[in-house]
Amino acid sequence: QQPVQSPQAVILREGEDAVINCSSSKALYSVHWYRQKHGEAPVFLMILLKGGEQKGHEKISASFNEKKQQSSLYLTASQLSYSGTYFCGTERPGGADGLTFGKGTHLIIQP
Amino acid sequence: ETGVTQTPRHLVMGMTNKKSLKCEQHLGHNAMYWYKQSAKKPLELMFVYNFKEQTENNSVPSRFSPECPNSSHLFLHLHTLQPEDSALYLCASSPSPGPQETQYFGPGTRLLVL
Repeated sequence: QQPVQSPQAVILREGEDAVINCSSSKALYSVHWYRQKHGEAPVFLMILLKGGEQKGHEKISASFNEKKQQSSLYLTASQLSYSGTYFCGTERPGGADGLTFGKGTHLIIQP
Repeated sequence: ETGVTQTPRHLVMGMTNKKSLKCEQHLGHNAMYWYKQSAKKPLELMFVYNFKEQTENNSVPSRFSPECPNSSHLFLHLHTLQPEDSALYLCASSPSPGPQETQYFGPGTRLLVL
């Protein structure tokens, strides 16, 4: 089952903050966050692992609530370059290889 | 530049054609993936290879045939496709296929089936 992302879309002014949420109906070991600009490959932002380990860019922050089976990505003091579609990915059921992704959150930053 | 390249970047083919997509990674990774990204749909995993062995086939129709001759190269052979197969096909790689590993994506091949 794919994770559910919210909101579906966000429009911000440059400098404003945004939170993107990702929730799952099953217990999670990891949550992956990617950003994709139109016509480009998804770019890795962060991995959050059960137990609190995080790997990712210093300027991106995120949380992982294992009990609630959800993760949030925090974008502070947004810049024009933050525009794009943000995807969260979680491991597939039964320990199968690969990730299952949410439908994405479209973020538009206006000057 | 993520270290994963894909060719061609764009492809138009008829339903009776046979074509192949190529992916190459220069990261020394052991796991490689094919994903399909259709308009207004999430990234959808198709196949996973680990050390050249296929470990996942996510119920993909047989008109898509993957090939992994070595850990650096991955192909997707296409034949008798349908218009609904038009999509962006993304290749990715990671050190291993585990859920703790970062996946690095290529730029994708945008496929149009007429």
